[in-house]
Formats: sequence, structure tokens, C-alpha cells
Amino acid sequence: EADIYQTPRYLVIGTGKKITLECSQTMGHDKMYWYQQDPGMELHLIHYSYGVNSTEKGDLSSESTVSRIRTEHFPLTLESARPSHTSQYLCASSELVGTGEGYTFGSGTRLTVV
Amino acid sequence: GNSVTQMEGPVTLSEEAFLTINCTYTATGYPSLFWYVQYPGEGLQLLLKATKADDKGSNKGFEATYRKETTSFHLEKGSVQVSDSAVYFCALRINFNKFYFGSGTKLNVKP
Repeated sequence: EADIYQTPRYLVIGTGKKITLECSQTMGHDKMYWYQQDPGMELHLIHYSYGVNSTEKGDLSSESTVSRIRTEHFPLTLESARPSHTSQYLCASSELVGTGEGYTFGSGTRLTVV
Repeated sequence: GNSVTQMEGPVTLSEEAFLTINCTYTATGYPSLFWYVQYPGEGLQLLLKATKADDKGSNKGFEATYRKETTSFHLEKGSVQVSDSAVYFCALRINFNKFYFGSGTKLNVKP
């Protein structure tokens, strides 16, 4: 079954630790995205990719980095976690062409930095 | 520019009540319009979509009509259930570019 997977679902980590949030999709989508969702529910695009070796920064400045070495994999890394990074992180993917197609979202990773 | 404005929540209704969540947009071209739903602790799921003016998207009893003249895409359901309690996001996509999401509207349905 084609889907998009995020791991872990929940993560509590100490300040200063390095973390990687995983996102993988089995749909062969070229475009992938990372959104940060604040407690007020609003979604902020922090990174996106058009394909392998393509990464772009989104609308909201973020201290995180991403990589796209394989089509199906789009991990997000925080080199040194801080309490301000506490949030829900949502990964999504879509086909490269066609405006009529929606995003497919993962279930999210809820990160808490203490 | 491109943007989506949707009504602020929370919206609280009794079961079997009629639901309307307003959504208006501004776009520099010809967008496709979407409604997504987010249940507690989950990611967003596509609820319905419309790709051109006067199209009606529908799914699970929810409907929305793409109104170009009023730049609107209001979400409606004739009879809500407790299981419809969630956050609803209106969104647009233009050309081959990224999505623009509204700020979300939380719906609480009481038995």
C-alpha cells in the first residue's frame, strides 16, 4: 500500500542533542515537504524538495537541515535541539506535475525538547 | 500574492447540526482548491478538492463549491457527527507550486 511514514511519532529529548526525524514515502513522488505546526494549528513550510539532490528553504526560517539522497527518503535534522524547537513536524509529498493533486501527509512527529 | 483566509474557531455544534466553515482566497492565477482534515494526533488527510470554477468537491457528506466570482470555497455538511470533530484546513495550489494553507478551524461536535 502506497503511503508516507514518519518516525518517531513522539520524541522527548534534552537540549543540545542532535536529532533526525525520518520521512519515507512509497508513492514515487518527486516533491516532498516539511511543515512545522504550532500549537495554534497553523502550518509553516520549512523545507521542500523537487527531487533527488534538490532542497529548498521554505517560508519559515528554521535551524533544521534536510537532505534528499533517495527519492523516497527526506530526513530532517536538528544539530542542537532547543526548547524553541518543540513542535509538531509534518512531512508531505506530491507528484511533480499537475495542480489538481493534493499532498499526502504523514502522521507527524511530535517533538518536545526539555 | 496567494493566500487563504478561513473563519476562526473553535466552532461548536450539536450532533446533526448544519456545518459551514467559510474559506476565501486570493490567487495570482487559476488555483486548485482543497479541504484537509486533521484528527487529533494525526497528520492531515485530503477531504475534498475542486480544480476549476463551479466544480463541487464532495466526500463523506462534506461539500464545497469553487466560486470564482466570490473567490470562495466554503465547506458544508448537512448533519455533523461527533466523529467529525477535528481541525479543518482550506488550501490552494497554483501552477506547480507549493500549497497555501489557511490557519485551520477547529470543529467540536457535542452529542
